[in-house]
Amino acid sequence: AQSVTQLGSHVSVSEGALVLLRCNYSSSVPPYLFWYVQYPNQGLQLLLKYTTGATLVKGINGFEAEFKKSETSFHLTKPSAHMSDAAEYFCAVIDTGTASKLTFGTGTRLQVTL
Amino acid sequence: GAGVSQSPSNKVTEKGKDVELRCDPISGHTALYWYRQSLGQGLEFLIYFQGNSAPDKSGLPSDRFSAERTGGSVSTLTIQRTQQEDSAVYLCASSSSGFLTGNTIYFGEGSWLTVV
Repeated sequence: AQSVTQLGSHVSVSEGALVLLRCNYSSSVPPYLFWYVQYPNQGLQLLLKYTTGATLVKGINGFEAEFKKSETSFHLTKPSAHMSDAAEYFCAVIDTGTASKLTFGTGTRLQVTL
Repeated sequence: GAGVSQSPSNKVTEKGKDVELRCDPISGHTALYWYRQSLGQGLEFLIYFQGNSAPDKSGLPSDRFSAERTGGSVSTLTIQRTQQEDSAVYLCASSSSGFLTGNTIYFGEGSWLTVV
């Protein structure tokens, strides 16, 4: 069965600092991987996704993530945090082998301080 | 429409009452999904429609929950005899095809359900 683990339910960074949100997955075959962001009282917005091809994926708002098969990871990074990045971030996976559903991690709340 | 539209945006209901939540997917999207987001439970998959059929409804938590989709478009999630544990945000999403294509899944803003 596929699953997603997000390390750290809360992460706090200073404005201008590196953002690193961790995501590890378990899947029987190479998965499809996604990062979504949720701002307060809003729905989920896709930041980026990996399906095939280049393992370094660039998304909106300056975020990027790298699929590392050997580490079963898909960590989300941004070189310089902005106050507007404060939100909840969800990693999600589709196991292409079982054709199962989009499964989400438990989320990481990012706080950005001055 | 431009995005996935859900109604009502907020609903307060008394325990034991039935509620209906509506989802209008993005025009032309054949795949439609319902998820539930609650404190301590994260995002839970409920049901997936491809057209009017539901190939996967494994996430519906009990027989009090049902969903239908008509005309390959609008979907309604119905909760009968609501319980306090049903309080959550119910998110609808749609995509141009199913999970395996990797196409982007677009989410609505959710229907916030509170059972008192």
